[in-house]
Amino acid sequence: DAKTTQPPSMDCAEGRAANLPCNHSTISGNEYVYWYRQIHSQGPQYIIHGLKNNETNEMASLIITEDRKSSTLILPHATLRDTAVYYCIVKAAGNKLTFGGGTRVLVKP
Amino acid sequence: ETGVTQTPRHLVMGMTNKKSLKCEQHLGHNAMYWYKQSAKKPLELMFVYSLEERVENNSVPSRFSPECPNSSHLFLHLHTLQPEDSALYLCASSQDIRTDTQYFGPGTRLTVL
Repeated sequence: DAKTTQPPSMDCAEGRAANLPCNHSTISGNEYVYWYRQIHSQGPQYIIHGLKNNETNEMASLIITEDRKSSTLILPHATLRDTAVYYCIVKAAGNKLTFGGGTRVLVKP
Repeated sequence: ETGVTQTPRHLVMGMTNKKSLKCEQHLGHNAMYWYKQSAKKPLELMFVYSLEERVENNSVPSRFSPECPNSSHLFLHLHTLQPEDSALYLCASSQDIRTDTQYFGPGTRLTVL
């Protein structure tokens, strides 16, 4: 599966949109982009995934560039409870879910 | 609530003890997983079960022994652990091993003295 690169940390203001970048320049055509998050001392939580098209659900939006070499997870209105480590994972269907270091997001009042 | 529960949530044990971690999923899934998360390290996949059959064992020491009696329950039996085995142990489930959305339990925080 392709390697991903995320900033180690970022701060966001409560109530504002949080834009989390992820680079995956070696992504293959059959690999999906997944986002999970892990709130302190809890298990990871699935957020969203996509292949080519942008996706939106009740938690977030996923914007994938046309060349698929990078993506952005958007939390539209960040709350203090969105403080967590966010993991961007690229993988083909059926392959293992491999977690990297992620981005530590701190939402500040 | 993800539909995956783990007990106990916290466990302290000595190196000579035998204990078991339990995971139960209420989602009707056919695949279950054990992960280990040590301090300041990424999650590591330990075991994968599909329809109660172990399909993956990622070079985990034999002092960790998984058991999957049915598709809803997964155990991790622990014996003669080392202090470096102290970690958060996470259970997850998915519809099947090819379905990639996994649902995680809250984890068991294990401390080995």
